[in-house]
Amino acid sequence: GAVVSQHPSRVICKSGTSVKIECRSLDFQATTMFWYRQFPKKSLMLMATSNEGSKATYEQGVEKDKFLINHASLTLSTLTVTSAHPEDSSFYICSARDSARTEDTEAFFGQGTRLTVV
Amino acid sequence: AQSVSQHNHHVILSEAASLELGCNYSYGGTVNLFWYVQYPGQHLQLLLKYFSGDPLVKGIKGFEAEFIKSKFSFNLRKPSVQWSDTAEYFCAGGGHPYSSASKIIFGSGTRLSIRP
Repeated sequence: GAVVSQHPSRVICKSGTSVKIECRSLDFQATTMFWYRQFPKKSLMLMATSNEGSKATYEQGVEKDKFLINHASLTLSTLTVTSAHPEDSSFYICSARDSARTEDTEAFFGQGTRLTVV
Repeated sequence: AQSVSQHNHHVILSEAASLELGCNYSYGGTVNLFWYVQYPGQHLQLLLKYFSGDPLVKGIKGFEAEFIKSKFSFNLRKPSVQWSDTAEYFCAGGGHPYSSASKIIFGSGTRLSIRP
């Protein structure tokens, strides 16, 4: 099946620094990728939709200046958490849709990144 | 607005009991529906999906779900659960791929605990 790889799987950073998380589709091209945030024992909250070659679409309440998304190629999207604070600590998950599949919206999920801001 | 809701927050069953987890959706137009499972400490895995055709969808590990358009429901079922089914289950929906509603929205999740 289609594989989505996220890197790093875990990261600890100091408050005030920035952290970049990568999401790669390994065996398919993805014009659309999604970034989610999952709080402990909670569901996945969609943060933004990343579109290759254009600006990301952010969900209501998500700060676009804090969570920078870049989708520079058909296989890579990055999420940068800028000026991280402890409340940004969370599990971030990306997913990607296969551009060649035009009839369904199935997305494939990465393994997630555990961000801890100290 | 698009939404997916799961009303069962925590379900506790004994082994061999039958399972049904509720999922309701609200979408305009074509909707694709999914059930994902997240085992403790692991990432999301797709159990099954519905795009079109037969409303009764069979997935992995003996799970199935039925799309009932008139009830806006996509409930997950399993005739006989096992201890290893203990996990968090998420219902999700997405609109037509090239519509503005193509993003995949998740329900709040249902935690399933199976007593040995």
